[in-house]
Amino acid sequence: DAGVTQSPTHLIKTRGQQVTLRCSPKSGHDTVSWYQQALGQGPQFIFQYYEEEERQRGNFPDRFSGHQFPNYSSELNVNALLLGDSALYLCASSYSGGYETQYFGPGTRLLVL
Amino acid sequence: AQSVTQLGSHVSVSEGALVLLRCNYSSSVPPYLFWYVQYPNQGLQLLLKYTSAATLVKGINGFEAEFKKSETSFHLTKPSAHMSDAAEYFCAVSPTGNQFYFGTGTSLTVIP
Repeated sequence: DAGVTQSPTHLIKTRGQQVTLRCSPKSGHDTVSWYQQALGQGPQFIFQYYEEEERQRGNFPDRFSGHQFPNYSSELNVNALLLGDSALYLCASSYSGGYETQYFGPGTRLLVL
Repeated sequence: AQSVTQLGSHVSVSEGALVLLRCNYSSSVPPYLFWYVQYPNQGLQLLLKYTSAATLVKGINGFEAEFKKSETSFHLTKPSAHMSDAAEYFCAVSPTGNQFYFGTGTSLTVIP
């Protein structure tokens, strides 16, 4: 049983560019959450997707957007990249949210130059 | 508002010694509490979670945590540290089940 997978593993972009990160949830999971983990910090909640809709959102600007597909996989899009967007982006999947354990992927490390 | 405070960004223990990692939380509703471990260049792995059942929760790899409502604490312990326990540990609170609030993490070093 494959766990949560994310692609790509590493990415280098320049300021102002746009980036798309991808996540495939663990088998049987229908909810995907995205987190940003800056160096030396804990993960910060970006948003959660369930039934192809954004169910909850953290304190992130509109430059951060997402999508969930019918097969429950998800994308995180970041527009107009800033240097401060450099971080490890983690995807976590769970079953219908609601206190179910979130299983994390290995993350995508984004470097903005 | 919900938040998590992890006291001590770095903790060092000798191999075989007690591990104690501290976590205090604030939550407007009875929370669910979690401890995750992160090894270098990897994602987070669940160690244990508290879901309002027993206040003493046992997790993987010999770790356990005790929920103390009066102290708003959920400290993580392990009786005997092993070299493989060296990692970053995160405490998290989830009041609604949909959004997790993580602490800033505690880096555990195990000295041989």
